[in-house]
Amino acid sequence: SYVLTQPPSVSVAPGKTARITCGGNNIGSKSVHWYQQKPGQAPVLVIYYDSDRPSGIPERISGSNSGKTATLTISRVEAGDEADYYCQVWDSSSDRVFGGGTKLTVL
Amino acid sequence: QVQLVQSGAEVKKPGASVRVSCKASGYTFTSYGISWVRQAPGQGLEWMGWISAYNGYTNYAQKFQGRLTMTTDTSTSTAHMELRSLRSDDTAVYYCARDEEGYGMDVWGQGTTVTVSS
Repeated sequence: SYVLTQPPSVSVAPGKTARITCGGNNIGSKSVHWYQQKPGQAPVLVIYYDSDRPSGIPERISGSNSGKTATLTISRVEAGDEADYYCQVWDSSSDRVFGGGTKLTVL
Repeated sequence: QVQLVQSGAEVKKPGASVRVSCKASGYTFTSYGISWVRQAPGQGLEWMGWISAYNGYTNYAQKFQGRLTMTTDTSTSTAHMELRSLRSDDTAVYYCARDEEGYGMDVWGQGTTVTVSS
């Protein structure tokens, strides 16, 4: 089965840039989606198809995907960005797969 | 507005079955699929399966094959998820999400807490 690997945690100071990685075999050939989940709430799609933003998602949030790693980048981090972030792909053998999640802490 | 509204919390005994509903509104139900995702306490997201609201085609994660059934009722724009032979480790929040392949899960229900306990 296909496995996506994320760091368990990332910490960043307000105003700085946070980068959350998602690794998987040949991930550059797949479409990667990213979700933000705050405590007690349902997940929210923040990036789809590697780098597209749904309406209402700020331009500070961006995505990229190449080689073995996809990356979610949050610029000018705010306290309200503190949340868990999950990457997700579709794989021919496993269908939909989620990464283990990364807890973003704003210092 | 586009939304998915799920049925209420459930408490079940081990070995029982649970059925969770997900009512869609604000969009053409048959134009999208529905994924079901669960989250055990303190854990990450786990994809369970996907159903086409257009033709009822299903694809289940291998882990749930044999005890999971997903259906849709196009007359009421509602998706249903039934999990059988419940165990304590099925205790989780269960989410439905609108899911168009390649575009991610863009609309989520509020979640349904299922507790399995004797």
